[in-house]
This record gives sequence, C-alpha cells and structure tokens, in this order.
Amino acid sequence: ETGVTQSPTHLIKTRGQQVTLRCSSQSGHNTVSWYQQALGQGPQFIFQYYREEENGRGNFPPRFSGLQFPNYSSELNVNALELDDSALYLCASSLLTSGTDTQYFGPGTRLTVL
Amino acid sequence: DAKTTQPNSMESNEEEPVHLPCNHSTISGTDYIHWYRQLPSQGPEYVIHGLTSNVNNRMASLAIAEDRKSSTLILHRATLRDAAVYYCILRDVRNAGNMLTFGGGTRLMVKP
Repeated sequence: ETGVTQSPTHLIKTRGQQVTLRCSSQSGHNTVSWYQQALGQGPQFIFQYYREEENGRGNFPPRFSGLQFPNYSSELNVNALELDDSALYLCASSLLTSGTDTQYFGPGTRLTVL
Repeated sequence: DAKTTQPNSMESNEEEPVHLPCNHSTISGTDYIHWYRQLPSQGPEYVIHGLTSNVNNRMASLAIAEDRKSSTLILHRATLRDAAVYYCILRDVRNAGNMLTFGGGTRLMVKP
C-alpha cells in the first residue's frame, strides 16, 4: 500500500503568478482534502473532493481551485498569488465512510511567494 | 464543530509517561474525539479516536472523562521520536467527510 505523495516538495513563485500543486492519494481512497498551514499555526481546511466533485470548502477565495481525477489524484491551483499564500500545503486522502474516517496526509509542498 | 482547548506546550523526559490534556466543554453527543500529531517537517498523522469509552492502540491511549467535556492522550513511554505537535479535534459523526478543524495544538518536547 503506497502512501500519499505530493509534488513538488518546494516551490518559489512571485506575486501575481499562478501555481499548481499535485497530490497522489493512497490506494483505495476516494476522497482528497487540501489544507494550508502557515508557519507556527495548525492546518486550515481549503476544500475537499469526493469522486471528482467538490464536497466542502473552507474560508478561501475562489482563486483557490482544485481538481480530482478518476485515478483519485488531485491538483490544487492558486491564481494571482499573494505574499500571504506562502505556506505549507498539505493534501490528505481518506475512504469516505463517516465523520470518523481517518485522513492520511502527505508531506506537503512548501510554497514561497516573493 | 465544537472547539477544543489545549496547552501550548509541554515537556517530558524520555521513557516517562506523558499526559496531554484537551478541554472540549461544548462537545455534542455525536462528536468523536480525534487526536493527530505532526512530527517536524511532516504532515499530520492519525493517533487515536474515541467517543465515550477509553481507547488503546499501539501508539497511545485515550482517556475520556465521564461527562465527555475533557480527554487526555496518554503516551505510555515517551521517546525522542514522540516530539511533535499534538492536535485534539472534534468530528461530528453525522457529517461524513467533514474537514479536520485544527487548533494550535500542544507542542511536546521530549528531553533525553
């Protein structure tokens, strides 16, 4: 059983640019969630995808968007990057069954916006 | 989701037990108590969860107060590898797939 992987590991962008982060879910999982973690804080929920449809969204603007593919891999896209978007972006996969489903996190992508 | 309150940091000696407290006075009857931890430079990982009864697994034990307004994560013998930020999270079992709402967590430091 393979774990959750994310790419790239690190990324540097400039303000106003667009970025795409990628996540490969754990085998057999049908749900992927994305989180943003600023330095020194707990992760904040961005959105969740279940069977390729958005299944919940946190308090993030529309310039944060996502996709989930039939093989359950996923992308997080951020347009018009701002300095405050600098953070660790985490994806987590799970098998959606109930509110007790365990989420398995990847190691994250560290995004720096200059 | 109901909120949780945890101490910002705690310190422990290696090979001693550690009790990490969590207060959740507004917990509802359908809220499960989950614990995740985040090791340095890694994503969070699941530790344990429970509803009413105490729970044990290979990583830790979870002791839940009778009124469910507080809980304690117990690491029976802390190792240096247990140094991490520990998050106590409430999840409503009725909301399948709902997100994890992380607070600030407790930073556990383990001294050799």
